[in-house]
Amino acid sequence: QSGLTQPPSASGSPGQSVTISCTGTSSDVGGYNYVSWYQQHPGKAPKLMIYEVSKRPSGVPDRFSGSKSGNTASLTVSGLQAEDEADYYCNSYAGSNNLRVFGGGTKLTVL
Amino acid sequence: QVQLVQSGAEVKKPGASVKVSCKASGYTLSNHGISWVRQAPGQGLEWMGWVSTYNGNTNYIQEFQGRVTMTTDTSTNTAYMELRSLLSDDTAVYYCARGGSGWSLDYWGQGTLVTVPS
Repeated sequence: QSGLTQPPSASGSPGQSVTISCTGTSSDVGGYNYVSWYQQHPGKAPKLMIYEVSKRPSGVPDRFSGSKSGNTASLTVSGLQAEDEADYYCNSYAGSNNLRVFGGGTKLTVL
Repeated sequence: QVQLVQSGAEVKKPGASVKVSCKASGYTLSNHGISWVRQAPGQGLEWMGWVSTYNGNTNYIQEFQGRVTMTTDTSTNTAYMELRSLLSDDTAVYYCARGGSGWSLDYWGQGTLVTVPS
């Protein structure tokens, strides 16, 4: 089971938008609408930001949005704020009795 | 409110075993599966496997098969992850996480640092 591919870094200025990609295969990202995204600040546990490709849990700002096309999912953060600076990880269901797989993570820097 | 509280940090010798606990509160453990995720120092998240808190079924990634056991005790609302034959490469923070909608992980424990000195 190979990991999903994310860019190691992304950046944007306050108020701008940034998009982070997450590429998998037809066995994971492309095969199911079960992509989720997690935000992790240094020394903290990850936090769920997006589930089922584009749904936001209660309490997550609508500046965070998700989408998917084929084998690639994307997380877009609009109106960047300083507190958005963190690591972001995508995760996909991969079938076969609840297998899941993570991306390598993207470090988002707010310039 | 939903909380997952994990056991404290551990230091183990190579070849030893470690058992990490994850006590759930604010919901019924048997209603949601528990995944275990680890993060080596400075590295990304790695999904290790999953245990059904309803019937005890498990699924582990190949890397850990034969070396890990995930269990639950519904009487105490606690999940456990035991990792055996520890290597220095097993040094990491281990997280438990609750299975949420759409195969997401909606609540996470605070993490347990397991250190295996080389």
